[in-house]
Amino acid sequence: QVQLQESGPGLVKPSQTLSLTCTVSGGSIRSGGHYWSWIRQHPGKGLEWIGYIYYSGSTYYNPSLKSRLTISVDTSKNQFSLKLSSVTAADTAVYYCAREMIVGVPADMVIEYYYGMDVWGQGTTVTVSS
Amino acid sequence: SSELTQDPAVSVALGQTVRITCQGNSLRSNYASWYQQKPGQAPVLVIYGKKRPSGIPDRFSGSNSGNTTSLTITGAQAEDEADYYCNSRDSSDNHLVVFGGGTKLTVL
Repeated sequence: QVQLQESGPGLVKPSQTLSLTCTVSGGSIRSGGHYWSWIRQHPGKGLEWIGYIYYSGSTYYNPSLKSRLTISVDTSKNQFSLKLSSVTAADTAVYYCAREMIVGVPADMVIEYYYGMDVWGQGTTVTVSS
Repeated sequence: SSELTQDPAVSVALGQTVRITCQGNSLRSNYASWYQQKPGQAPVLVIYGKKRPSGIPDRFSGSNSGNTTSLTITGAQAEDEADYYCNSRDSSDNHLVVFGGGTKLTVL
């Protein structure tokens, strides 16, 4: 059973770079049909998609974070990582990593695609403060 | 980018049926998924497209019509009290992901 675990500093100073790593266990990050995602949740608020990476290295980012964001993958360590630069207090949140599956289902003469984040890490709280 | 709109709060009597809705233009061309989140816990996938992950009770079901997707809980239980989030792909770029604002479900 695939499990995800976030790791990284819980406290980051303003203007510095927030760095988190998600370690995948119980399965390979090279398995096709999955995107490896980062999501965050500000205190008392809803979920915000940050971005995801495919094992090949292809990345897709939330446009609102794109200028500060880098997501990378290390298949040899079965890990993927997030770096968010120039952080402010507005980046204080619980950060989750998740695996998103893509399922193609035949329907009549077409293929319907279903997406779902089926495995989540427990989340890690990051506070931006001096 | 797209937006997904959810009612902030919904309540249901124990054992009754409740529908939680999510609206957005992206839902006309993309299926949604639904997540349940209890306080202090990570979200859990309960519906993706027309499917339910293994281990999710069959009282949870999903449906779609036009720009609206719905999560229905038939015979709500006390343990179903949680926040529920929909998500889907962006209507202008289906590589981008969007979440709804979430619905707080109270089971009375």
